Amino acid sequence: DTGVSQDPRHKITKRGQNVTFRCDPISEHNRLYWYRQTLGQGPEFLTYFQNEAQLEKSRLLSDRFSAERPKGSFSTLEIQRTEQGDSAMYLCASSSWTSGGALKETQYFGPGTRLLVL
Amino acid sequence: SQKIEQNSEALNIQEGKTATLTCNYTNYSPAYLQWYRQDPGRGPVFLLLIRENEKEKRKERLKVTFDTTLKQSLFHITASQPADSATYLCALESGANNLFFGTGTRLTVIP
Repeated sequence: DTGVSQDPRHKITKRGQNVTFRCDPISEHNRLYWYRQTLGQGPEFLTYFQNEAQLEKSRLLSDRFSAERPKGSFSTLEIQRTEQGDSAMYLCASSSWTSGGALKETQYFGPGTRLLVL
Repeated sequence: SQKIEQNSEALNIQEGKTATLTCNYTNYSPAYLQWYRQDPGRGPVFLLLIRENEKEKRKERLKVTFDTTLKQSLFHITASQPADSATYLCALESGANNLFFGTGTRLTVIP
């Protein structure tokens, strides 16, 4: 396993269209995170899963956004009725988290999907 | 709310010198802090993690300090090289199982 992968790497869409991004985490990692990054800013947290359960959503994740991780492996992030303000880099990260013992908090990021909404 | 400030948007330094980047935070006491490197068009790459009970952590030419009284972390790259040129991000654990990132400092090492 060479790391976190994301597909596609780039997406150009017209305002109002729906888009879906995929993330494949490092295989043994039980946590998966989605972040959004705009130019000149650091990544902003959107949501995360532990196995297949979505445990937290940011207020940034409007009703037009939905994320799934149906089998606790890969995840998808869908944006419905895209707006120009959705243009950003969407980053996926994964980590191996255990309760008790030594926590492994490091998150490993994928290359990102750059979205441009025209 | 949490706030992270990284000392400057951009830092230029001569090759061979030590680069020092600053991360200040307010309104929070994180259990740990992380530093990431990000190259243009790529995702962040983990460099170092330091916990609240650790004062200093080293990895090769990298050194991180963590002062929970000052609410500050310093990130040092010694003997800097042009290949160290990138954006460096400071990130705090948010207490809610995700990371809260600063805006980053773009480091340029001049040959």
